Amino acid sequence: NAGVTQTPKFQVLKTGQSMTLQCAQDMNHNSMYWYRQDPGMGLRLIYYSASEGTTDKGEVPNGYNVSRLNKREFSLRLESAAPSQTSVYFCASASLGNTGELFFGEGSRLTVL
Amino acid sequence: AQSVTQLDSQVPVFEEAPVELRCNYSSSVSVYLFWYVQYPNQGLQLLLKYLSGSTLVESINGFEAEFNKSQTSFHLRKPSVHISDTAEYFCAVSVGNDYKLSFGAGTTVTVRA
Repeated sequence: NAGVTQTPKFQVLKTGQSMTLQCAQDMNHNSMYWYRQDPGMGLRLIYYSASEGTTDKGEVPNGYNVSRLNKREFSLRLESAAPSQTSVYFCASASLGNTGELFFGEGSRLTVL
Repeated sequence: AQSVTQLDSQVPVFEEAPVELRCNYSSSVSVYLFWYVQYPNQGLQLLLKYLSGSTLVESINGFEAEFNKSQTSFHLRKPSVHISDTAEYFCAVSVGNDYKLSFGAGTTVTVRA
């Protein structure tokens, strides 16, 4: 019972480097989300995908791109990493019939030097 | 747009004592309300939710929250805490059924023996 799986769990980048965070869910959920968590700020929505083939910006999309590869997978890409993107990133998924319960992965801790 | 304010960033409490975590939200329309819990080095898990009906909702591990529409609040309470309740707690709100949750900044509960 994997649920939501994120890779990698830890990553250190230099300013300007690019990387992709991978997320996969095995619960047949329609919706998937990327959040970032910063101390004292809670979780902020970066991008979400209400269903396969659609993506929309959240609260803090600048500097990120996403791809909903198929129903299971939703990746987050940093094209040119900046120190302000140092954070813990969480992927989540939800079923439209399950009225609001998000299932979260364990997080990916990213440090940009 | 809605916003969520958690009034306490840190709540230290002794084992078997009661605890209350305060949450206020602002929204001009009807909302769904949630409390999530994050244990150290883990993702978030749903603790309880209010969608409609009874304003008092309970979790399986003894927490309860009451929706107060006039005060736009959704405070979380537990009459007697355990060491295992040490975690960070997030209040969240959504409008409609796209599950774009807005999270509060979080309240860290530390239970001491």
